[in-house]
Amino acid sequence: QVQLVQSGAEVKKPGASVKVSCKASGYSFTRYPISWVRQAPGQGLEWMGWIGTHNGKTNYAQRLQGRVTMTTDSSTSTAYMELRSLRPDDTAVYYCARVLYYDSSGPFDYWGQGTLVTVSS
Amino acid sequence: EIVLTQSPATLSLSPGERATLSCRASQSVRSYLAWYQQKPGQAPRLLIYDTSNRATGIPTRFSGSGSGTDLTLTISSLEPEDFAVYYCQQRTNWPITFGQGTRLEIK
Repeated sequence: QVQLVQSGAEVKKPGASVKVSCKASGYSFTRYPISWVRQAPGQGLEWMGWIGTHNGKTNYAQRLQGRVTMTTDSSTSTAYMELRSLRPDDTAVYYCARVLYYDSSGPFDYWGQGTLVTVSS
Repeated sequence: EIVLTQSPATLSLSPGERATLSCRASQSVRSYLAWYQQKPGQAPRLLIYDTSNRATGIPTRFSGSGSGTDLTLTISSLEPEDFAVYYCQQRTNWPITFGQGTRLEIK
């Protein structure tokens, strides 16, 4: 069965970086893009960016441009999201999600379990 | 960017009742609108994609309709497990955007 398993919770200080992993199983990794979505405590869903798993092409939310990098490792079927220069308002649960259609932007049919990133001094 | 506005913010209904959730877009999303359900402490779950297609395993009581800028999610007869937060999402244009959510609570 399709599964996306994310790395564990992180606590970071302001200005630091965090790298969250998302290991896929149960399907052909390079056939489906991955998006990343975050959710601040008690808030709604915010799309962060998208990566084509067969070619590494990316599309990032403008407000995160310059601070976020998304990559994949097809040898391990793992996607990564790195966020730099962390601020307290980056505190959120970060989700990876599989895109339903090959080479499309959405929708998201399978989601990881979420990774809580807390940014605090 | 396409702004999605969901209404109402909170909907209070009883099991067995019909729920109608609205998602209004700032410009046409064509048919590229999805709906997700999220329960506390869980990841969102895809319910409906491309306006009216039910995702795998989604009960038939969930249906999507509409076009252009006015889209609707209908739950024909509420079950206890349907009380949750619902989000709409568009993929017509970058950036992908979500509505702010509708909380469906038990009356």
